[in-house]
Amino acid sequence: SQQGEEDPQALSIQEGENATMNCSYKTSINNLQWYRQNSGRGLVHLILIRSNEREKHSGRLRVTLDTSKKSSSLLITASRAADTASYFCATEDQAGTALIFGKGTTLSVSS
Amino acid sequence: ETGVTQSPTHLIKTRGQQVTLRCSSQSGHNTVSWYQQALGQGPQFIFQYYREEENGRGNFPPRFSGLQFPNYSSELNVNALELDDSALYLCASSLYGTDTQYFGPGTRLTVL
Repeated sequence: SQQGEEDPQALSIQEGENATMNCSYKTSINNLQWYRQNSGRGLVHLILIRSNEREKHSGRLRVTLDTSKKSSSLLITASRAADTASYFCATEDQAGTALIFGKGTTLSVSS
Repeated sequence: ETGVTQSPTHLIKTRGQQVTLRCSSQSGHNTVSWYQQALGQGPQFIFQYYREEENGRGNFPPRFSGLQFPNYSSELNVNALELDDSALYLCASSLYGTDTQYFGPGTRLTVL
């Protein structure tokens, strides 16, 4: 089944630095989404990139998608302590019903 | 924050008991999905409801069941609780046919 796998599992940076996390998936996709989760609470939708897009921006977030490599990256620029969270990429199953998540990247931003 | 609400926030049950978790959709959404998230893992899809019927199911046993009501709110029922059912249960609402699901804050279930 389709599955996103994030890399690295954990990332620690200082405030003001950039954070990059990567996601790989196995099969063809219509889109890929990134979500954030703060300390065991609900997931917040960050950005969706479609298979015909290569790059997308939203505020301090930049997402790239390389369908030939079946990979995506999420860049957070000028990180803040409030960005401390777990980040998940998600793809849809073939029926377009379920979101399939990886294990996530845990980002820690220290001030 | 999304407009999706879940109750209760926390719940403690013992093995063998039954539990019901509740979810209210964001206004304008007609589809509800449920996910189970074990500690340190990503969410796993349990099932989705649309028009009060199950619209897709993940790899979960029949003791996981659900309902959707005419106002699009939903319940997740788990019978014969097992220790491994301890997890964060997330509800997500969406408009049928669209790509993005909006998650509630979750219910933390502990089975002793």
